[in-house]
Amino acid sequence: QQQVKQSPQSLIVQKGGISIINCAYENTAFDYFPWYQQFPGKGPALLIAIRPDVSEKKEGRFTISFNKSAKQFSLHIMDSQPGDSATYFCAAIPLDGKLTFGQGTILTVHP
Amino acid sequence: EAGVAQSPRYKIIEKRQSVAFWCNPISGHATLYWYQQILGQGPKLLIQFQNNGVVDDSQLPKDRFSAERLKGVDSTLKIQPAKLEDSAVYLCASSSRVTNEKLFFGSGTQLSVL
Repeated sequence: QQQVKQSPQSLIVQKGGISIINCAYENTAFDYFPWYQQFPGKGPALLIAIRPDVSEKKEGRFTISFNKSAKQFSLHIMDSQPGDSATYFCAAIPLDGKLTFGQGTILTVHP
Repeated sequence: EAGVAQSPRYKIIEKRQSVAFWCNPISGHATLYWYQQILGQGPKLLIQFQNNGVVDDSQLPKDRFSAERLKGVDSTLKIQPAKLEDSAVYLCASSSRVTNEKLFFGSGTQLSVL
């Protein structure tokens, strides 16, 4: 059962542009929403995370926007750089529950 | 701080053969996970250990997959017999908390079943 839907499947952005990846969920029991970044040949690494009691969280060039009523959240990468080229996964966790990943977005940032 | 160690890095086998993967988590991390990542998909949890006990193995195909973490530290995942659809990257992760909020992943073992 797919509980976290992620889009787009792939994204191409020019250097300096804004990358936006969207996720939607159905389970209202989810209460923690992390984003993972995965480079080729490596395992995913936690990038940034948010709880549903806030609408936005920013860490450097990375921002999560969260819309609890719409059950949607998104990752914004400002001033995108070629080094940001990777696969990004959104995820969701219910309290004391299992981490569920989205399908992933392959981001390519052209110099 | 050393990361999660996994071996082998790559494995190629024929269907119906058996294969085993090894994982050594970050020192002190009580929780260990095995994930299966099929090309183009997000990781899917196979099994979660808390120390040497199983917390969740609901998505582990128990007719062919088995895992153990005998001393609460390193772990092995075995597939016997392998099927073509088992071709994937097998990721091990560990965390210091049971709630899955921050997982540290190894680089994975890429399995090809021919």
